[in-house]
Amino acid sequence: KQEVTQIPAALSVPEGENLVLNCSFTDSAIYNLQWFRQDPGKGLTSLLLIQSSQREQTSGRLNASLDKSSGRSTLYIAASQPGDSATYLCAVRRETSGSRLTFGEGTQLTVNP
Amino acid sequence: DTGVSQDPRHKITKRGQNVTFRCDPISEHNRLYWYRQTLGQGPEFLTYFQNEAQLEKSRLLSDRFSAERPKGSFSTLEIQRTEQGDSAMYLCASSPQDSRADTGELFFGEGSRLTVL
Repeated sequence: KQEVTQIPAALSVPEGENLVLNCSFTDSAIYNLQWFRQDPGKGLTSLLLIQSSQREQTSGRLNASLDKSSGRSTLYIAASQPGDSATYLCAVRRETSGSRLTFGEGTQLTVNP
Repeated sequence: DTGVSQDPRHKITKRGQNVTFRCDPISEHNRLYWYRQTLGQGPEFLTYFQNEAQLEKSRLLSDRFSAERPKGSFSTLEIQRTEQGDSAMYLCASSPQDSRADTGELFFGEGSRLTVL
């Protein structure tokens, strides 16, 4: 059974800091990994999608890396801003599980002005 | 088309009542998914459709839950005889499949929050 763990569960940083969120998964037979952002009471916004054959993806101040063999992904946020405050979720799609995603519990990020 | 649409956004009901949620996926996305999310947790998979066929159901989907996608477009999720433990956010997502646009990426709606009193 695939299990996804995100560390830390919560993080509070001052504005301007660079930060790293971690995601680990137990079954390396994944099809892809997706990072999402979720604001309180809202749905999920897709940030980055990394296919299993890729090592990293970048979008603006965000960079996500994938080490499939070790079961790890990181989301790097550069020059954090108060507007980045949200919960960040990673989810993996297994190769043989159809289309279901398995999510971690998320990292709740607070960026203080 | 602005994305996945869910209705209602919020529903408060008394225990024992039936509720129904609707999801309109992104046009031409033939895969549609339902997830459930409780406070402080990540979303959990419930079921998914490819066109009108329901291809997979989670064990979380008890016999009080039923999902349909009759014409391969919008979907409904009905919960019968609601219980307080059903209180959660119900999220719908869609993705293209078997097309040039298919990267395996899922696009989520804003969710339908259910509160059972």
